[in-house]
Amino acid sequence: DTGVSQDPRHKITKRGQNVTFRCDPISEHNRLYWYRQTLGQGPEFLTYFQNEAQLEKSRLLSDRFSAERPKGSFSTLEIQRTEQGDSAMYLCASSLAQGLGQETQYFGPGTRLLVL
Amino acid sequence: AQKITQTQPGMFVQEKEAVTLDCTYDTSDPSYGLFWYKQPSSGEMIFLIYQGSYDQQNATEGRYSLNFQKARKSANLVISASQLGDSAMYFCAMREKTSYDKVIFGPGTSLSVIP
Repeated sequence: DTGVSQDPRHKITKRGQNVTFRCDPISEHNRLYWYRQTLGQGPEFLTYFQNEAQLEKSRLLSDRFSAERPKGSFSTLEIQRTEQGDSAMYLCASSLAQGLGQETQYFGPGTRLLVL
Repeated sequence: AQKITQTQPGMFVQEKEAVTLDCTYDTSDPSYGLFWYKQPSSGEMIFLIYQGSYDQQNATEGRYSLNFQKARKSANLVISASQLGDSAMYFCAMREKTSYDKVIFGPGTSLSVIP
């Protein structure tokens, strides 16, 4: 399977604990995006990387959230001191930016987080 | 202000019929792209179709077509010959060049195909 993969698919944690999610993009894709989706809503942009550089962060991304893409391949999203409001689906997407018009983002299956 | 508006929270369509899902958007950027994604109950976002702001013709992909009316800022998705497997959430999304290419999603429309 050469699509975007995410691990774990589900995570249940207690309030105050730290969690880390991993995303493996499509191998030749240079851009990687993180989104958060709550029930009944569309995905909300969190941050994105071009290669290893983090180019933009949403105001939704509090200082408890940190994302890395150290070698320009896989990425991790860490949430420290989780709160119940962090419960959501965390989606990762990747794309190939070539400076052309269409740049389609392909999504992974998501990590569903439940904070108790 | 909402960048992407989808006014139909839920839609029903008879199997084999066509259905139109509405999407309007708001941007002052002359360079932008519009996308439609499908999200079945399994949760994965599946890319369906893309329309660029400078594209002269409406995009088509198999049973999907995009009715792009630039002056009205609308990008409706038309699904022809609906199938039971089309039952899902459908999201309209936009990428603006001036927003560092991040994609903004609408609230979605839930489509149910009735046998």
